[in-house]
Amino acid sequence: DQQVKQNSPSLSVQEGRISILNCDYTNSMFDYFLWYKKYPAEGPTFLISISSIKDKNEDGRFTVFLNKSAKHLSLHIVPSQPGDSAVYFCAASEGGGADGLTFGKGTHLIIQP
Amino acid sequence: EAGVTQSPTHLIKTRGQQATLRCSPISGHTSVYWYQQALGLGLQFLLWYDEGEERNRGNFPPRFSGRQFPNYSSELNVNALELEDSALYLCASSFGARYNSPLHFGNGTRLTVT
Repeated sequence: DQQVKQNSPSLSVQEGRISILNCDYTNSMFDYFLWYKKYPAEGPTFLISISSIKDKNEDGRFTVFLNKSAKHLSLHIVPSQPGDSAVYFCAASEGGGADGLTFGKGTHLIIQP
Repeated sequence: EAGVTQSPTHLIKTRGQQATLRCSPISGHTSVYWYQQALGLGLQFLLWYDEGEERNRGNFPPRFSGRQFPNYSSELNVNALELEDSALYLCASSFGARYNSPLHFGNGTRLTVT
């Protein structure tokens, strides 16, 4: 049973436009959410996180939105750049600790020139 | 600051053998986590070590084991290798089970079992 779901395996966006990556979760005990970015042959790189006490967190071009009632979060990248082309993983944890983050299967973002 | 380092980068073993993977965390991090990324699957949590103790393990058989050393480095051992153990094994570290402490990953060890 997948507790964190990324339903779009891939997403293609034009350079300069907004990229929106979505993530749904089923475990209502999750209270800490993260987005990671992964290039081929490298480990995932931490991008941005949000705790369940917030509904928005912003860091430069990256904004994460959390809708607890819908058990949904999204990552907005504005404007999208060629270097943003990568696989993006959504992850969640419960209990305030980082033990055993639960990851989605990832969305491959392709930024087209 | 140096990131999480893993060795070897690639490892080829035959079925039934044992594999040992190594990880050095970021300086100051006390927690080490191991994840498996098999083809077509997301990252699956394997093991969490903190302050030398195993704190949690994922849904993997006992032939997956490991340890954490006094310098916080860690090794993952996989005994009686099976073909489906072929995967990318990622190590991550953090400041421990503190709130809002993201995991920082190494580049992984690609294990191939033939």
